[in-house]
Amino acid sequence: EAQVTQNPRYLITVTGKKLTVTCSQNMNHEYMSWYRQDPGLGLRQIYYSMNVEVTDKGDVPEGYKVSRKEKRNFPLILESPSPNQTSLYFCASSSTWGDHDEQYFGPGTRLTVT
Amino acid sequence: GNSVTQMEGPVTLSEEAFLTINCTYTATGYPSLFWYVQYPGEGLQLLLKATKADDKGSNKGFEATYRKETTSFHLEKGSVQVSDSAVYFCALTTPNSGYALNFGKGTSLLVTP
Repeated sequence: EAQVTQNPRYLITVTGKKLTVTCSQNMNHEYMSWYRQDPGLGLRQIYYSMNVEVTDKGDVPEGYKVSRKEKRNFPLILESPSPNQTSLYFCASSSTWGDHDEQYFGPGTRLTVT
Repeated sequence: GNSVTQMEGPVTLSEEAFLTINCTYTATGYPSLFWYVQYPGEGLQLLLKATKADDKGSNKGFEATYRKETTSFHLEKGSVQVSDSAVYFCALTTPNSGYALNFGKGTSLLVTP
């Protein structure tokens, strides 16, 4: 089944404790990205990657890191999480980085930073 | 920069009512337009899209027409069902935005029997 998977689905952590949210797609997609969803703000892009070893900042990259060492994986790293990073995070992928392409979303990771 | 404005929710309708969710946009360049739907507890799914002016996207009884002259992409459905209850997001991409989806804030729809 074609899908985007994220782990964990739920995470409660404390300020400053490094964490990684994994994202994997099995569709051989080139383009992957991370979004955060906050009430009243909709979804905002954090980082994106057009292919292996190619990443760039989205609209709200501060406090996040990413890497794209393999085509299928695009982990999101919070080196020192803070309470304002409490949010619902979605990973997405599409076959290429064309503007016509549908993006496929993972099920989301709900992160709480205390 | 790019931005999407959609009507505030929540919208509550009775089953079989007509639905319109308004969406307008500003964009640098020539955007592609999308409607995504998020069912409770799930990720977003593409509902429909349109990539050039006057295109009509349609899926599952929903329709939206790309109106360049009014910079709009309103979502419509003639007869909603309880199973249509979800949050609907209007979005756009342009080549000069890294193909990021610029989303509106979402409109929550509740359909009652």
